[in-house]
Amino acid sequence: AQTVTQSQPEMSVQEAETVTLSCTYDTSESDYYLFWYKQPPSRQMILVIRQEAYKQQNATENRFSVNFQKAAKSFSLKISDSQLGDAAMYFCAYIYSGAGSYQLTFGKGTKLSVIP
Amino acid sequence: DTGVSQDPRHKITKRGQNVTFRCDPISEHNRLYWYRQTLGQGPEFLTYFQNEAQLEKSRLLSDRFSAERPKGSFSTLEIQRTEQGDSAMYLCASSLAGGGGETQYFGPGTRLLVL
Repeated sequence: AQTVTQSQPEMSVQEAETVTLSCTYDTSESDYYLFWYKQPPSRQMILVIRQEAYKQQNATENRFSVNFQKAAKSFSLKISDSQLGDAAMYFCAYIYSGAGSYQLTFGKGTKLSVIP
Repeated sequence: DTGVSQDPRHKITKRGQNVTFRCDPISEHNRLYWYRQTLGQGPEFLTYFQNEAQLEKSRLLSDRFSAERPKGSFSTLEIQRTEQGDSAMYLCASSLAGGGGETQYFGPGTRLLVL
């Protein structure tokens, strides 16, 4: 079974600084996708970034980028120029891309606080 | 383009009662998912529909849980004879079929408290 581990239950960052959230996963598959989702307090979960495992290039979305290390099964999220609105729970998630499997497997999340 | 909506947003019930939640996916999305999220945990998969067909169910989905998606549009999740352990956030998500790995868009969730 696939597992996703987020080893940092809580993190904090000064506004305008950079922070990196860690995620490791365990799978025997070679084709899969990885995601970072953001869940602000009392608001719905939204996609931050998506990575296809067969692509070596790290995904980026504006201030958000990932460091995808397939051999190490590591998928960290870097947030640059942190803003107050970045404060939220961040979840790393995995999905196998083979036929018949469509369930996301989530980590336990990292609570990010942004200090003004 | 409206997002995924869920109703109600909050539900308080007494142990033993039945509850039903509704999810309206993004209109063109043919895939719909239900997840459960307890405090301090990430969401856990419950079940998945493609159009009106329920194609995958988690072992978490006991006999007291039933989900439907009539006509492949909105979905309902019913919990019969609720227990205190059912207290959680129930999340619905939808996606457009694209060969796997497509982004799932989440609704705001229904928070259930069983007294």
